[in-house]
Parts: sequence; C-alpha cells; structure tokens
Amino acid sequence: EIVLTQSPGTLSLSPGERATLSCRASQSVSSSYLAWYQQKPGQAPRLLIYGASSRATGIPDRFSGSGSGTDFTLTISRLEPEDFAVYYCQQYGSSRTWTFGQGTKVEIK
Amino acid sequence: QVTLKESGPVLVKPTETLTLTCTVSGFSLSNARMGVSWIRQPPGKALEWLAHIFSNDEKSYSTSLKSRLTISKDTSKSQVVLTMTNMDPVDTATYYCARIVGATTTFDIWGQGTMVTVSS
Repeated sequence: EIVLTQSPGTLSLSPGERATLSCRASQSVSSSYLAWYQQKPGQAPRLLIYGASSRATGIPDRFSGSGSGTDFTLTISRLEPEDFAVYYCQQYGSSRTWTFGQGTKVEIK
Repeated sequence: QVTLKESGPVLVKPTETLTLTCTVSGFSLSNARMGVSWIRQPPGKALEWLAHIFSNDEKSYSTSLKSRLTISKDTSKSQVVLTMTNMDPVDTATYYCARIVGATTTFDIWGQGTMVTVSS
C-alpha cells in the first residue's frame, strides 16, 4: 500500500506570502491519480487539484499543483485569509484503494 | 444541485455494529459513471478512506479494515450503506460519504459528515 507523507506538518505564514506544501509517496504514483483537498474547521474537505495539476471547478488560480513520480507539490502563490486551513493529498492505487496524507496545516503567523 | 447526506447513530457501544446511510440527490446511483466512497476522520486527525462502491456494483475496501466493513447501495432509494462491525472507541470519528464521477479518482462532492462516538 502506498503511503503519502506530507511536509511540513504546520506552515506558519502571513497573508500575501507564498505557501509550498509537499506530498511524497512511498512508491511512484500516476500523476493522473494524485489530488489535493482543502479542509476548514467543521467542514468537509473540498477538492482543489486533480490529476496533480488541474484545478477543480471554481478554484482560484493562486492554487497550483505540480510534480510526478513520488514528489508532488501544492503551491498557493499569495495567501488570502480564507486559505488558512488544512491541506491533504490523496492518491488512487492499482489495488483500487485510496490513501490520504496526514495533512499540512497552514496557519497565520 | 448534487448533494450527499450521511445519517446514522450518534452513539454506539463497543462491540456493536454501526450502520451508516448516505442519501444522494442530484444524480443517480444507477448512472454508469457514478461511484461513492466512505471516508472517516477521528477528531483532530487525518482522513482515512474506508470503502468504495463502483457504478457496476463492484466494491473495494481498506486493507486494514476489510474484515469489518460492508458497503452496498440501493439505487431505488438513492442510498449507499456502510456497515462496520465490532466497533471500538478508536472508531470514534466523523464519517463522510463522497462521490467519484467516471474514470476520475478524486472525490468531487462530499457530504457534511456525521459524528459517531463509540462509548459504553
């Protein structure tokens, strides 16, 4: 089973700054099967990025995804107040199972 | 408008069986492109995928929980049901259902979640 490791665990930044979140897989993942979600307190996760780099409907272009193989990145170019949240990466494996990373919390510095 | 809504008991006792229902609207479970998963999240912890039912009624389960889980659907009622046997306090979590469309492998729409506490 593929394990996704996200880093850092917590990212302390100010509004307007750039956020770079990492997701590393224990073995190679198809880019088509890598996604990112945002979760705010008390809310369900929201799909941000699918296929490693495609933005979901309605997602602002300050969010971008990149990467391939075992290393993937979510970048928020300029943090807005509403972007402070927890972010999860997710992959779909050949055994027809899904796994999530442990999450990165982006907090206000 | 596409929505999913989870329902079930708020409190279950250890060793009991949990039954959760996901009622969907705005799309049909009989649609060849629709699948639904169950995902849970213990308080303050990460998301954990549990089970998925594909449009052709095939099922897939978390390796670690497979022996305790059963997922099924009733297309006439627009419902997906998850049962989890032998509940334990570590199973205390918010349980979500979420949709997958077609060949995508991402959860585009989520329910609001339902909190389940396991305690005697």
